[in-house]
Amino acid sequence: EVQLVESGGGLVQPGGSLRLSCAASGFTFSSYWMHWVRQAPGKGLVWVSRINGDGRSTNYADSVKGRFTISRDNAKNTLYLQMNSLRAEDTAVYYCARYWAALDYWGQGTPVTVSS
Amino acid sequence: DIQMTQSPSSLSASVGDRVTITCRASQGINNYIAWFQQKPGKAPKSLIYAASSLQSGVPSKFSGSGSGTDFTLTISSLQPEDFATYYCQQYNVYPLTFGGGTKVEIK
Repeated sequence: EVQLVESGGGLVQPGGSLRLSCAASGFTFSSYWMHWVRQAPGKGLVWVSRINGDGRSTNYADSVKGRFTISRDNAKNTLYLQMNSLRAEDTAVYYCARYWAALDYWGQGTPVTVSS
Repeated sequence: DIQMTQSPSSLSASVGDRVTITCRASQGINNYIAWFQQKPGKAPKSLIYAASSLQSGVPSKFSGSGSGTDFTLTISSLQPEDFATYYCQQYNVYPLTFGGGTKVEIK
């Protein structure tokens, strides 16, 4: 059974940093591209970033480019999102998702609140 | 960026109704459109990919159609468990973009 479990969210002050993790199981992690998608409270879904299977190719939304870094450790079956210079508008639930002919499996999400 | 315009933003329907949600892309997306269902407090669930292909395990009451820039999601006979918010998403080019969502409520 495919499982994606996010962790690392929490309350952080503006300008602070946070690293999210997404532990994957039930599939060959290194064979799949992975994505992060976020959802601000009461709002819609917004794509954040994507990484290919070997970690050498990445894409970012303009709103996070230069502040967020996506990475993966295939030996640990774990996806990461390093978030620096956090802003109030980064407050959201962050989901990791597997890509196979679209985003087919999603984690339960981890909430991030940026506030002083 | 490709804009995905979803309509309606909300609708009220009864159990057994046929429901159609539309999504218009601001440019051609080569049928790289997916549809998701999201219930309150839950993660999105993938329903349809490549415009009309059903994800594994998704009931056949859900169907997708369209081409070019205009696409639809249809629920053939609405059931209580189908009341949720539905999103379209293009994955033809980066950044991936979602529609604004359609909230399907009970009439």
